[in-house]
Amino acid sequence: EVQLVQSGAEVKKPGESLKISCRGSGYTFSTYWIGWVRQMPGKGLEWMGIIYPGDSDTRYNPSFEGQVTISADQSISTAYMQWSGLRASDTAIYYCARHGPWGDAFNIWGQGTMVTVSS
Amino acid sequence: DIVMSQSPDSLAVSLGERATINCKSSQSVLSSSNGKNYVAWYQQNPGQPPKLLIYWASTRESGVPDRFSGSGSGTDFTLTINSLRAEDVAVYYCQQHFTTPYNFGQGTKLEIK
Repeated sequence: EVQLVQSGAEVKKPGESLKISCRGSGYTFSTYWIGWVRQMPGKGLEWMGIIYPGDSDTRYNPSFEGQVTISADQSISTAYMQWSGLRASDTAIYYCARHGPWGDAFNIWGQGTMVTVSS
Repeated sequence: DIVMSQSPDSLAVSLGERATINCKSSQSVLSSSNGKNYVAWYQQNPGQPPKLLIYWASTRESGVPDRFSGSGSGTDFTLTINSLRAEDVAVYYCQQHFTTPYNFGQGTKLEIK
């Protein structure tokens, strides 16, 4: 079964750093783009960026570039999203998702990681 | 960036009836190389990740009931849900997957009348 499993919920203070993960299984991890999507409480979906684990080619949404870093380690089939200085406005559910074999929409989704940033 | 705008923001439809959700892109998402329109539709139930329903504007993802259909070309697209069932209550999002950033629409909340 193809699946993405994300790391657990996090509670952090403003200014702290954080790295969340997304592990793929059931397919060749290095050959599919993986993306990250933010969903703030009660709000819609925001496309943050994607990475191709095979060569770490990364594309960011300009709205998020410089705010987060997307990376991947194909040796352990895991993609990451990290922050160096969290803000309260980063409080959201973060989903990882994989592109389909036919193109660039997300057909496999992780379960989501809730990140809460509060003093 | 391509902006995706959905209408309406919410709608209520009776069980067994048809629901129609519209999505407009700020630029064409039609590929001149293959003639495909790069729009996807997702369904999101409360507390769940989104689920892909449609890609390339009208191709149903495997396992999606044929009550769900997508149409449109260029900048105007529609998701149609025929014979509405209670389990179709959800928020629906369109997304362009033509050029990065692959932005989503703001979502349409579908309820039962």
